[in-house]
Amino acid sequence: AQKVTQAQTEISVVEKEDVTLDCVYETRDTTYYLFWYKQPPSGELVFLIRRNSFDEQNEISGRYSWNFQKSTSSFNFTITASQVVDSAVYFCALSETNFGNEKLTFGTGTRLTIIP
Amino acid sequence: NAGVMQNPRHLVRRRGQEARLRCSPMKGHSHVYWYRQLPEEGLKFMVYLQKENIIDESGMPKERFSAEFPKEGPSILRIQQVVRGDSAAYFCASSRRLAGGSGEQFFGPGTRLTVL
Repeated sequence: AQKVTQAQTEISVVEKEDVTLDCVYETRDTTYYLFWYKQPPSGELVFLIRRNSFDEQNEISGRYSWNFQKSTSSFNFTITASQVVDSAVYFCALSETNFGNEKLTFGTGTRLTIIP
Repeated sequence: NAGVMQNPRHLVRRRGQEARLRCSPMKGHSHVYWYRQLPEEGLKFMVYLQKENIIDESGMPKERFSAEFPKEGPSILRIQQVVRGDSAAYFCASSRRLAGGSGEQFFGPGTRLTVL
């Protein structure tokens, strides 16, 4: 069975500091997808990134970067120069391509608070 | 382009009543997923539907819960005889199946159900 672990329940950092959110996953499939979503206080889910298991290249998008390490089954997310607007709950998720059923398995989330 | 639409956004029911949650997928999307988020928890998969078919309902409680996605109209998640433990945010996501891969799931804003 697939599983996603986000060991950090809550993190607080001062504005402009860098912060890394950890995500460790378990799956028996060789083909799978990893995701990060942001849930701001307003409650909606905002898609941030999708990465397939065959692409281990790190990705950078503005202040956001992702480090995919297959050897350690981790898909960590770093925010550089954090801003107050980054305050949210962040979810890591895993999808296995099991006969076309791509249901997401979510971690329990990390609540990030950026202190002005 | 309208995103995934869910209504109502907030729903209050008394114990024993029925709750109907609606989800209109994005245009061109024929796959719908329902997830439940209990307070202070991550999202949990409930059911995956394609038009007129339930593909996977392994995450649905066996009793009182049902889902449908008719040929015409929105997907409906129905909860009969609600209890206080059903209070949660219910998210719908839709996707367009991509050949060989995981189509990105776009989430609706959620329906927050409160059972008094």
